[in-house]
Amino acid sequence: EDQVTQSPEALRLQEGESSSLNCSYTVSGLRGLFWYRQDPGKGPEFLFTLYSAGEEKEKERLKATLTKKESFLHITAPKPEDSATYLCAVQAGNYGQNFVFGPGTRLSVLP
Amino acid sequence: EAGVTQSPTHLIKTRGQQATLRCSPISGHTSVYWYQQALGLGLQFLLWYDEGEERNRGNFPPRFSGRQFPNYSSELNVNALELEDSALYLCASSFESRVGGYTFGSGTRLTVV
Repeated sequence: EDQVTQSPEALRLQEGESSSLNCSYTVSGLRGLFWYRQDPGKGPEFLFTLYSAGEEKEKERLKATLTKKESFLHITAPKPEDSATYLCAVQAGNYGQNFVFGPGTRLSVLP
Repeated sequence: EAGVTQSPTHLIKTRGQQATLRCSPISGHTSVYWYQQALGLGLQFLLWYDEGEERNRGNFPPRFSGRQFPNYSSELNVNALELEDSALYLCASSFESRVGGYTFGSGTRLTVV
């Protein structure tokens, strides 16, 4: 069964304190791994797509990396506005377009 | 470009009633997906529609159903509402043939009392 787990469940950082979020997956025929940001009561906002091991994507203070079993979302010098829940999702070969989402990491950045 | 739009934003229903949620995908997107996000839980896949057909459904009872119209908009119906159906219902759209991220709407908050 395809599975996605994320750690930690929650993370509190001081402004400027860099850290990483982990997404581990077990899927057959990975077609893509996706990171989303979700603010409370809102729909997830697309951040990155990663397709193959070794690939990296960057956007402002965020950098996503991918290996054969996990992905990391690195946050460099975070600001309070980076506070949100970060979701990881995988698109597997036997799921068509359907995604399997992880439970998310709730990030709080304190000023 | 208009994003994925969902209506209503909030919906309050009584247990046993029916709820209808609506979604308009991004122009040109043929696939619509529905997800349920209960408080404190992750996104659970409900239904996938493409070109008017139901392509796949998640592990939900038959009282969760929907359809996709010729203009690719979609409707999610929940019959015989139960208290545990209270959740944020999210709609997303994409091109069917493209491997890529969904674009989500802002959701409908359904509260069953």
